[in-house]
Amino acid sequence: EVQLLESGGGLVQPGGSLRLSCAASGFTFSGYAMSWVRQAPGKGLEWVSAINTGGSTFYADSVKGRFTISRDNSKNTLYLQVSSLRAEDTAVYYCAKSIIAMGILDYWGQGTLVTVSS
Amino acid sequence: EIVLTQSPATLSLSPGERATLSCRASQSVSIYLAWYQQKPGQAPRLLIYDASNRATGIPARFSGSGSGTDFTLTISSLEPEDFAVFYCQQRSNWPYTFGQGTKLEIK
Repeated sequence: EVQLLESGGGLVQPGGSLRLSCAASGFTFSGYAMSWVRQAPGKGLEWVSAINTGGSTFYADSVKGRFTISRDNSKNTLYLQVSSLRAEDTAVYYCAKSIIAMGILDYWGQGTLVTVSS
Repeated sequence: EIVLTQSPATLSLSPGERATLSCRASQSVSIYLAWYQQKPGQAPRLLIYDASNRATGIPARFSGSGSGTDFTLTISSLEPEDFAVFYCQQRSNWPYTFGQGTKLEIK
């Protein structure tokens, strides 16, 4: 059974940083592209970042230069380093696995909440 | 960036009725469009990918159609558990983008 378990969210002040983690199990982690998608409270979905099996990374313009996606295939874990946080980064951050192509998300974690507030 | 516009914003129907949800792209996305369902407090669930392919375990009452800029998600006969928010999403060009969502509510 595929499982994705996010952690690392919390309350952080504007300008602060966090590292989000996503522990994956139930599939060959190294063989699939992975992504982070966020959802601000009461709002829609925003694709934040993606990393393919070769390690190439992709970022939304809204987070480019502030967020860094990475993966450790030996630990079956996806990361998102979030820095220079702003109030508008407040959201539930979901980790998701791609089905074949990078842009189709067939499994999602339950999310971790990041709140940016002073 | 490709903008996806979903309509209607809210759809009020009764169980057993047919639901038709639309998604229009600001430029062609070929067939590279997916549909997700999200219930309150839950993560999204993949329903349809590449316009018309049902994801694993998705009931046959869900179907997708379209290509280019106009797409439709159809639920042939609504079950009580189908009421939720539905999002379309394109993977034609990075950044991948989602529509703003259609809320399907019980009438």
